[in-house]
Amino acid sequence: QVQLQESGPGLVKPSETLSLTCSVSGDSISGHYWSWIRQPPGKGLEWIAYIYYTGNTNYNPSLKSRVTISVDTSKNQFSLKVTSVTAADTAVYYCARGGNYPSWHFDYWGRGTLVTVSS
Amino acid sequence: DIVMTQSPDSLAVSLGERATINCKSSQSVLYRSKNKNCLAWYQQKPGQPPKLLIYWASTRESGVPDRFSGSGSGTDFTLTISSLQAEDVAVYYCQQYYSTPYTFGQGTKLEIK
Repeated sequence: QVQLQESGPGLVKPSETLSLTCSVSGDSISGHYWSWIRQPPGKGLEWIAYIYYTGNTNYNPSLKSRVTISVDTSKNQFSLKVTSVTAADTAVYYCARGGNYPSWHFDYWGRGTLVTVSS
Repeated sequence: DIVMTQSPDSLAVSLGERATINCKSSQSVLYRSKNKNCLAWYQQKPGQPPKLLIYWASTRESGVPDRFSGSGSGTDFTLTISSLQAEDVAVYYCQQYYSTPYTFGQGTKLEIK
């Protein structure tokens, strides 16, 4: 069974960098695309970016200037960095499998991690 | 960006009755070379991540009860729950994966009447 687990600080100060890691088990990170998706409290879902194990990436233009997604195949993990955060970046951040062939849709999700931006 | 608009925003249905949620995209999400619509439906219960129900607009994900079905093509899509069960109370989202940035509908909250 494929499992994803997000990890990282739950509290980040304004103007600092948010860093999260998604650990994948039950599947090789090679052969699928992997995405980050976020959900502000009480609001809807926003796709942030995807990555392939080769390093091929695609970003949401609304966040592209502040976001970096990366992959570590040796650890079967992928990561997200968001720079210059503000309160608007407060959200539950999910990692998910999907974004391109063979799974364009998101078929496996982590449980999510709440990141609060506050001083 | 493709804008996904769901209707209604909330819905109350009696147990055992049919629930219908609509989703409209601002442009066609039909992938012509595959003749498939790049549209998925998710169910999200409080405190949980979204769960994939339907992809390619009408293909049910493994393990999803057959009371859930998806239909539509082009820009207009529907998620139908044929006989509402108590465990179906949730927020439902549609999502297009025709082009990036992938976008979701605003969600439809389904409750028991």
